[in-house]
Amino acid sequence: QVQLVESGGGVVQPGRSLRLSCAASGFTFSRYAMHWVRQAPGKGLEWVTFISYDGNNKYYADSVQGRFTISRDNSKSTLYLQMNSLRPEDTAVYYCARDGAGEYYFESWGQGTLVTVSS
Amino acid sequence: YELTQPLSVSVALGQTARITCGGNSIGGKNVHWYQQKPGQAPFLVIYRDRNRPSGIPERFSGSNSGNTATLTISRAQAGDEADYYCQVWDSSTVVFGGGTKVTVL
Repeated sequence: QVQLVESGGGVVQPGRSLRLSCAASGFTFSRYAMHWVRQAPGKGLEWVTFISYDGNNKYYADSVQGRFTISRDNSKSTLYLQMNSLRPEDTAVYYCARDGAGEYYFESWGQGTLVTVSS
Repeated sequence: YELTQPLSVSVALGQTARITCGGNSIGGKNVHWYQQKPGQAPFLVIYRDRNRPSGIPERFSGSNSGNTATLTISRAQAGDEADYYCQVWDSSTVVFGGGTKVTVL
């Protein structure tokens, strides 16, 4: 079955960087586009970024454009999120999610990893 | 692009709950719905307006027309208590509604 396992979360000071990983299994990773979605404590869902199956197309939410970078290593079935210049408002649970049939919805989700930006 | 959902919906056990998602000409877009229980990741309950992933009960149905999409939960059960989010793709961006908390009385 599809399994997505995020890692790399933790507490980081404002202005610092962090890299999240999402290990995929149970499906052919290289055939699927992927997303990162986040959820601040007590708040709703916020889409962060998208990457196509081959890594050639990427989209970002305005709130992270220029600070966050999505990437993937299909040989390792792993998705990444490099987060730079972190702000307190980036504090959230970060989920990776598999795209549904190239139609920009979230067919499967990981369990999430918590990122806390605080001094 | 904005999606508007009611903050909360209450439904009596065994009755029907309807959760709306409003957006400008949303009927021309594909709408997807997610359920999220406290402390858990969201999961997909309806995709492309009215399609159920495998394992989702027939009690969950969706519709989309004009400026409103609707998720309907028939014969509501205690286990349906959760937050529900609608979602579309617009101008190279994913947009979520603010979420609706469903309470089963």
